[in-house]
Amino acid sequence: KQEVTQIPAALSVPEGENLVLNCSFTDSAIYNLQWFRQDPGKGLTSLLLIQSSQREQTSGRLNASLDKSSGRSTLYIAASQPGDSATYLCAVRPSIQGAQKLVFGQGTRLTINP
Amino acid sequence: NAGVTQTPKFRILKIGQSMTLQCTQDMNHNYMYWYRQDPGMGLKLIYYSVGAGITDKGEVPNGYNVSRSTTEDFPLRLELAAPSQTSVYFCASRTPGQGFTEAFFGQGTRLTVV
Repeated sequence: KQEVTQIPAALSVPEGENLVLNCSFTDSAIYNLQWFRQDPGKGLTSLLLIQSSQREQTSGRLNASLDKSSGRSTLYIAASQPGDSATYLCAVRPSIQGAQKLVFGQGTRLTINP
Repeated sequence: NAGVTQTPKFRILKIGQSMTLQCTQDMNHNYMYWYRQDPGMGLKLIYYSVGAGITDKGEVPNGYNVSRSTTEDFPLRLELAAPSQTSVYFCASRTPGQGFTEAFFGQGTRLTVV
């Protein structure tokens, strides 16, 4: 059974720092991995999607990497801003059992201090 | 493009009452999902559908029912509400395919059962 873990559960950094959020998964048989942002009381906004054949994807100050063989993904945020404060969730789509669904981690709650 | 729309945004139910959470998408996506998110936890799949007339159970289907009569709509029915169903419910959709099939989420329905 695929399991996704995000550590740490919470992270607080000063504005302007570069930071890395971690996501690990137990089964490397995946179609893709997706990073989401969730603001308090709001829905999920898709940030980046990496296909299993890709190593990384970039969007603005965000860069997501994928090492499928080791079951790891990272979300790199450059020059962090207070507006980046949110919970970040990663999710994988298994390519075998349960291929229709996304399996989510518990999220990392990020706070950027001005 | 409205994307995925959920109604209502908030609801308080008494134990034993029933209700339907509405979800509609205007992206012509075949795949639709219902997830629930409990505080500090990741999202858990309740039910999903791969097309009109086809639904299947996820991880936590007990106490819920779904139907899919059109491509656009995927309502979630709660029968005999229980306090354990207090949660935030998210509807999502995506296109079929393996690699680059991004999932889109609604803004959520916050349900409290008292």
